[in-house]
Amino acid sequence: DARVTQTPRDKVTEMGQEVTMRCQPILGHNTVFWYRQTMMQGLELLAYFRNRAPLDDSGMPKDRFSAEMPDATLATLKIQPSEPRDSAVYFCASGLVLRDRNNEQFFGPGTRLTVL
Amino acid sequence: GDSVTQMEGPVTLSEEAFLTINCTYTATGYPSLFWYVQYPGEGLQLLLKATKADDKGSNKGFEATYRKETTSFHLEKGSVQVSDSAVYFCALKNQETSGSRLTFGEGTQLTVNP
Repeated sequence: DARVTQTPRDKVTEMGQEVTMRCQPILGHNTVFWYRQTMMQGLELLAYFRNRAPLDDSGMPKDRFSAEMPDATLATLKIQPSEPRDSAVYFCASGLVLRDRNNEQFFGPGTRLTVL
Repeated sequence: GDSVTQMEGPVTLSEEAFLTINCTYTATGYPSLFWYVQYPGEGLQLLLKATKADDKGSNKGFEATYRKETTSFHLEKGSVQVSDSAVYFCALKNQETSGSRLTFGEGTQLTVNP
């Protein structure tokens, strides 16, 4: 049963600290998405990658957030320095996107981040 | 830009009641429409989808019909169960304008009481 995995599941940190969240997409999927969920803003797309290349990161604050895919089995989302307003649940999703095909995105369980 | 609007929640029903969660959208062209469900402490799961006008998506007793004339994709279930308690998200994907990006509605919290 293939699943998207995310670590850590919960992270509590202090303002100003660096936070790194990791995601392992489903093997064979070529597209990885990072979403942020808050009560106020709902679900927002931060960035997504196709074949490890960033396609769209317009939803991500560039001054403190960075997203990378060092290899096909790992995606990372880093916040440096973190701020209390970054507190949210961060979801990774992966999918196999082929030309003209509307394929499902499979979501991980999320990382709940609390910045004090 | 594209947007999705869901009926305000939360929604509380008794077991076996009929469920409707309204969803309307604004988009150019021909988007695909989705309903996702999020159980407590978990990520989102695809519940059903429809890729063109008049398509009906169905799964686990839930149904939604893609109505282009009313730009709607309302979710229905004839008889809800306690296990259906979750947050439901309507979403669209517009390949023409936004590629693989999903645009989500605000989510509707459903609680089903025994």
